[in-house]
Formats: sequence, C-alpha cells, structure tokens
Amino acid sequence: DVKVTQSSRYLVKRTGEKVFLECVQDMDHENMFWYRQDPGLGLRLIYFSYDVKMKEKGDIPEGYSVSREKKERFSLILESASTNQTSMYLCASVADSYEQYFGPGTRLTVT
Amino acid sequence: QKEVEQNSGPLSVPEGAIASLNCTYSDRGSQSFFWYRQYSGKSPELIMFIYSNGDKEDGRFTAQLNKASQYVSLLIRDSQPSDSATYLCAAPNSGNTGKLIFGQGTTLQVKP
Repeated sequence: DVKVTQSSRYLVKRTGEKVFLECVQDMDHENMFWYRQDPGLGLRLIYFSYDVKMKEKGDIPEGYSVSREKKERFSLILESASTNQTSMYLCASVADSYEQYFGPGTRLTVT
Repeated sequence: QKEVEQNSGPLSVPEGAIASLNCTYSDRGSQSFFWYRQYSGKSPELIMFIYSNGDKEDGRFTAQLNKASQYVSLLIRDSQPSDSATYLCAAPNSGNTGKLIFGQGTTLQVKP
C-alpha cells in the first residue's frame, strides 16, 4: 500500500509567521503535489514536483513556495502566513498511471 | 480549459438502494478516469479508476465510462450509511505531469 504522511494534522499559526508543511511518500514516486481545499472551491493545485529539485506552479502559487531535496519528501512553505491561507492542505503522491494518493491532510488555521 | 463537471448534490438515497453519481468531461481525448471518496474532514481516497469504455466492477462499486457521450458514472449498490461522503471525479490533464482535473464533488447521503 502507498503511504503518504504529512507532518501535522492540525496547525495554528500567527499572521506573518513562516510555516513549513512536510509530506513524505514511501513509493518512490516521481511526482508529488500540494493542494488546498476550501468549502465550495474544491481542490486547488498550489505546486507540484516531477523530480528532485524540479517544481512547477499550479493554479494558485501566490504566497507559497516548495522544496524537494529528496525524492520522498516534498515541502510546502508559506513565506508569511496570512488569514486567507487558513485551509486544509493536502499532499498527493502520484503513480505512473496518474493515480494520486493523498496524505491525511493538514488543517491550518492562521490567526 | 479542460473541465470535469459534477452535480454538487446532495444526493440522498435510502439504505440498500443504488446510488448513481455522474460526471461529465470536456476533453474528448481523456483516456482514464478516477473516483475518489472523501469523508468529512478527511482526505480523498482513491476507490475506482477506469480506462476503457464500458463497466468496471469492484465489490459494490461499478464505474461506467461512455466516451462517445463524455460521461463517467459511479454506481454504488446496496448503499450503506457508511457510504455517505463526497465523491470526486477526476481526469488526467494534458502532458505527462500526473496532473488531474478534479470535479467539485457530489455529496451522497445514505439514510438508514
């Protein structure tokens, strides 16, 4: 079974803080994704990575950056957290056949 | 812009009935489709995928793909209250990036 883990299930941060969300997969997948999910807006792609040190912007990259130093680990960074970044953050690891396997999610609250 | 469309629901069915969830897509070239189930507060879980026209069955779940009409559906037989969740349909985006286009999801309520 594919296992995707995320560093925190719940996180509360203050406005202006730098926030790190980590995702680890154990299936040697090339592609990894970061989404956020908000009520009524569905899943929105923030960034994805198709190899170590390779990244591409998704649909809503503003205010975020990513890091992929090792194949199994993909980090999402909120450079200066704002209240409109309060959301559920989901990481996914992708098999060759486009099957995406999601981590448990991190519910981030920015106050 | 490729699109995947779903009726947001809620779709309400009695326990034991067949639940039918539908999804339409805009890209005629789409070759594969995925169904995810998402319980409230949880992350999406892949439950079915289908690559070819026709039906694919897995336990109580059947995925149906009709490429000519550009729709894909998920049937849940003998629906249980534990099937109450949001069901997301997804199709690959172009290119070899692994990107999926997700629908907004249909909320299913199975009433005991």
